[in-house]
Amino acid sequence: IAGITQAPTSQILAAGRRMTLRCTQDMRHNAMYWYRQDLGLGLRLIHYSNTAGTTGKGEVPDGYSVSRANTDDFPLTLASAVPSQTSVYFCASSDGGSGRTFFGQGTRLTVV
Amino acid sequence: GQNIDQPTEMTATEGAIVQINCTYQTSGFNGLFWYQQHAGEAPTFLSYNVLDGLEEKGRFSSFLSRSKGYSYLLLKELQMKDSASYLCAVRDGNYQLIWGAGTKLIIKP
Repeated sequence: IAGITQAPTSQILAAGRRMTLRCTQDMRHNAMYWYRQDLGLGLRLIHYSNTAGTTGKGEVPDGYSVSRANTDDFPLTLASAVPSQTSVYFCASSDGGSGRTFFGQGTRLTVV
Repeated sequence: GQNIDQPTEMTATEGAIVQINCTYQTSGFNGLFWYQQHAGEAPTFLSYNVLDGLEEKGRFSSFLSRSKGYSYLLLKELQMKDSASYLCAVRDGNYQLIWGAGTKLIIKP
């Protein structure tokens, strides 16, 4: 089934640990995004990539890094996790023609 | 700054009609999207408006007025499965998506 796959689906992480959230899409979309979603705050953009080899900072990039080595993969790394990074993380990609955004199933991350 | 406002929560009755409003202030405009998000799941696309007027898709319709910075999502013949959050998002002049915080819709029998 075409779409976006995220891994893991949930994780409990000790503060200070490094963690990479994986994201793979098979729709050949150029643009990909990482969002975090917290209750009452909606979706907030962490980082984005308009095409393979390029990345940019979103609204809340501090403490996160991304890479885009190829079209399909867009991993998000937390270098040293802190409790405020407890959230649901969504990876997404968009169809350049319609502008529609497609989301992965999300990763529920708890930093303790 | 850029801003999207929508009500935090609404309640409606099964079988009725509900209108969810969205107002926006963005730097440029390249379309408005509505997404549905059930609890614990990812958002899914509902509708897209780039020109003024009403777009109808089954029980759901979406309206846009660019001059007023205003949109609404109209849900008819409400069903219990329509209980979800509805997210309004605007694509700004740089083609970046700006998201509202979402409206939680509660459907009562």
